[in-house]
Amino acid sequence: QITLKESGPTLVKPTQTLTLTCTFSGFSLSTSGVGVGWIRQPPGKALEWLALIYWDDDKRYSPSLKSRLTITKDTSKNQVVLTMTNMDPVDTATYYCAHRTYGSGSYYTDYWGQGTLVTVSS
Amino acid sequence: DIQMTQSPSTLSASVGDRVTITCRASQSISSWLAWYQQKPGKAPKLLIYKASSLESGVPSRFSGSGSGTEFTLTISSLQPDDFATYYCQQYNSIGDTFGQGTKLEIK
Repeated sequence: QITLKESGPTLVKPTQTLTLTCTFSGFSLSTSGVGVGWIRQPPGKALEWLALIYWDDDKRYSPSLKSRLTITKDTSKNQVVLTMTNMDPVDTATYYCAHRTYGSGSYYTDYWGQGTLVTVSS
Repeated sequence: DIQMTQSPSTLSASVGDRVTITCRASQSISSWLAWYQQKPGKAPKLLIYKASSLESGVPSRFSGSGSGTEFTLTISSLQPDDFATYYCQQYNSIGDTFGQGTKLEIK
């Protein structure tokens, strides 16, 4: 079955760079139509989409955060890495990675990791 | 950016009620819309994709409709397990956007 798990620091200081790793199993990021995305959710607030990488290395970013984000994949390790520069307390959130696939004439995001809470504080 | 606006923000209803949540896109997204259910402390769960396709394993009391800029999620007969927060998500070739969420509360 498909599983994803986020890992990384729980606490970062303002201005630092955050690096999060999504380690997955049950699928390959070299399979046509497959992608892995990142979404975050500040405490008590709505979901915010961040970035997505596809099997062919096509990448998509949130326009409002594009200058701060980089998404990469390591197919051999079944990992996707998200980096976010210049962290600020407003970036405090639970960060999720999720599986995107293509089927029934549509892409859709079906499996999610459990999320990891990142706090930005000095 | 494509903005997604959900209404209402909060909805109070009783077990057995039929409820509808609306999501409007700032520009046409064809049928590239999904609905998720989220419970406190948990990851979102996919309910509907491509505006009206029911995800495998999701009860048939959930249904979605719409295209272009206006979409709805309907729960035909609320069950106790349905009280949660619901999000719409558009996904197009550029990127995704979520709505601000609708909290479904017990009346």
